[in-house]
Amino acid sequence: QVQLVQSGAEVKKPGASVKVACETSGYAFTTYYIHWVRQAPGQGLEWMGVINPSRGTTFYVQKFQGRVSMTRDTSTSTVYMELSSLRSEDTAVYYCARGGSSSWYRDFDYWGQGTLVTVSS
Amino acid sequence: EVVLTQSPGTLSLSPGERATLSCRASQTVSSSYLAWYQQKPGQAPRLVIYGASSRATGIPDRFSGSGSGTDFTLSISRLEPEDVAVYFCQQHATSPLTFGGGTKVEI
Repeated sequence: QVQLVQSGAEVKKPGASVKVACETSGYAFTTYYIHWVRQAPGQGLEWMGVINPSRGTTFYVQKFQGRVSMTRDTSTSTVYMELSSLRSEDTAVYYCARGGSSSWYRDFDYWGQGTLVTVSS
Repeated sequence: EVVLTQSPGTLSLSPGERATLSCRASQTVSSSYLAWYQQKPGQAPRLVIYGASSRATGIPDRFSGSGSGTDFTLSISRLEPEDVAVYFCQQHATSPLTFGGGTKVEI
């Protein structure tokens, strides 16, 4: 069955970086786009960007450009999201989610369990 | 950016009642690109409806979606205790992909 399993919770100081892993299984890794979505405490969902695991190409929301990097490791079917220059407003649960196969303009049919990133001095 | 406005913010109903959730877009969204997600406390979102009206795998038939253009609706015909959650609509037609603010369904 399709699974997206994320790395564990992180606590970081302002200005630091965090790298969250999303290990996938149960389907052909390079076939489906992987998106990243975050949710601040008690808030809604915010889309951060997407990666094509086949080519490694990415698209980032303008708000995060320059601070976010999405990469993948095809040997382990894992996607990574790194966010730098962390500030308190980045405290959130970060989710990876599977998108479409032929286009990233698709709904998200499977989600990781989420990774809580806390930014605090 | 397409802004999605969901209403009401909170819906309090009794078991067996019908729940009607609204999602209004700031500009026309093709029906093929409108989805609904259910998020229970402490859990990741789960796809409920895709293409505005198609139920995702494993979703009970008491859930239905409808609408077009700028107005979309998620209905739960007979509310069950396990339906308590926050429901988000999403448009994936144009970048950036956006979500509504959510409707909390309480029993």
